[in-house]
Amino acid sequence: NAGVTQTPKFQVLKTGQSMTLQCAQDMNHNSMYWYRQDPGMGLRLIYYSASEGTTDKGEVPNGYNVSRLNKREFSLRLESAAPSQTSVYFCASRYVRGSNQPQHFGDGTRLSIL
Amino acid sequence: GEDVEQSLFLSVREGDSSVINCTYTDSSSTYLYWYKQEPGAGLQLLTYIFSNMDMKQDQRLTVLLNKKDKHLSLRIADTQTGDSAIYFCAASGGYNKLIFGAGTRLAVHP
Repeated sequence: NAGVTQTPKFQVLKTGQSMTLQCAQDMNHNSMYWYRQDPGMGLRLIYYSASEGTTDKGEVPNGYNVSRLNKREFSLRLESAAPSQTSVYFCASRYVRGSNQPQHFGDGTRLSIL
Repeated sequence: GEDVEQSLFLSVREGDSSVINCTYTDSSSTYLYWYKQEPGAGLQLLTYIFSNMDMKQDQRLTVLLNKKDKHLSLRIADTQTGDSAIYFCAASGGYNKLIFGAGTRLAVHP
């Protein structure tokens, strides 16, 4: 049972390069999320997709774009990477039926921008 | 805006109880969650509590909620070295969103 799968697990980029982080879930969840985790700051929501075909900005969307490719997949794109985007990125998904369904997380992508 | 706060570090001796505290600001938060993160891994849901409850027990874990003070705690009984991790408190922040605290790093020593 794979759950939420993120690729790649690690990546090093140079400033100005572009990159797409991939996320897929096999739990038939309708909502998906992208977070970044920085030391001492917890997780901050970048973008989310409440359902297939919709995306919305979270707390820190600047410098990122997303695509909800289908129900399973939600990708995060950095068009022109900056050192401030060095972080650990987590994808999560949730089945929305009432408000007590928790979010399930992938293992993260560790991204360094030089 | 909505905020969740936790202390950053806690050190306990193996076999003792650990208590991790959390405060939140959004009184409309319906559910409050505790997640555990081990090194190099994602977040694993430990437990959650509905806002109309004041206590929930699940094996070694006890969650206490003081809704009036917007204070949440996680007690781990008989703490083991395998409990060493970062623990995140999260509050439901409106439809479909979670607001996370910064995480409490729990260190368990012999």
